[in-house]
Amino acid sequence: DQQVKQNSPSLSVQEGRISILNCDYTNSMFDYFLWYKKYPAEGPTFLISISSIKDKNEDGRFTVFLNKSAKHLSLHIVPSQPGDSAVYFCAARGFYGGSQGNLIFGKGTKLSVKP
Amino acid sequence: DAGITQSPRYKITETGRQVTLMCHQTWSHSYMFWYRQDLGHGLRLIYYSAAADITDKGEVPDGYVVSRSKTENFPLTLESATRSQTSVYFCASRRGQGAMRNQPQHFGDGTRLSIL
Repeated sequence: DQQVKQNSPSLSVQEGRISILNCDYTNSMFDYFLWYKKYPAEGPTFLISISSIKDKNEDGRFTVFLNKSAKHLSLHIVPSQPGDSAVYFCAARGFYGGSQGNLIFGKGTKLSVKP
Repeated sequence: DAGITQSPRYKITETGRQVTLMCHQTWSHSYMFWYRQDLGHGLRLIYYSAAADITDKGEVPDGYVVSRSKTENFPLTLESATRSQTSVYFCASRRGQGAMRNQPQHFGDGTRLSIL
């Protein structure tokens, strides 16, 4: 069973508009969440993170929102640019069992920003 | 600033062969990780290491062996490769002495491994 779910495999947005990528999680023990961006033939690149004690974190065009009661986080990109076209992974960390604080990744959402 | 490098970038081998994927980081990060990425599965943790000579299993460790004799290197070995191990493998590292430190992992560019 997936503990971190990205239910939209793909998303298409017009340049200049807002992109909203969503992520749901099932484990209330998760306490740190991250978003990664991945271009083809490259490794994932860290984008932005948020601790569970916050509900919003902003870095330039990128904002992550966390709704703990709904176990949901989202990444907003405003304005979207063609260079943002990539696969975005949501990841969560929780200290439970023997996980030692390791990350669990969603399956990713492919964002296409059209000029 | 070399960061984290993986070699080779591409590898083709046959079933039953032993193959080793290399990972080297120049940041002196304590933690290092190996993931595999497969269609429909996202990134899954194979093994990780909290420090030199300390390694532990992740979600999908079967068929893999790791070692960490030096902080900067974390090789992953497939002792007898199988077709199901065809995948893209990513190495990552993270600084911070504690498991719960809020530090992101930084990834290499991956090794695409095909097993015929």
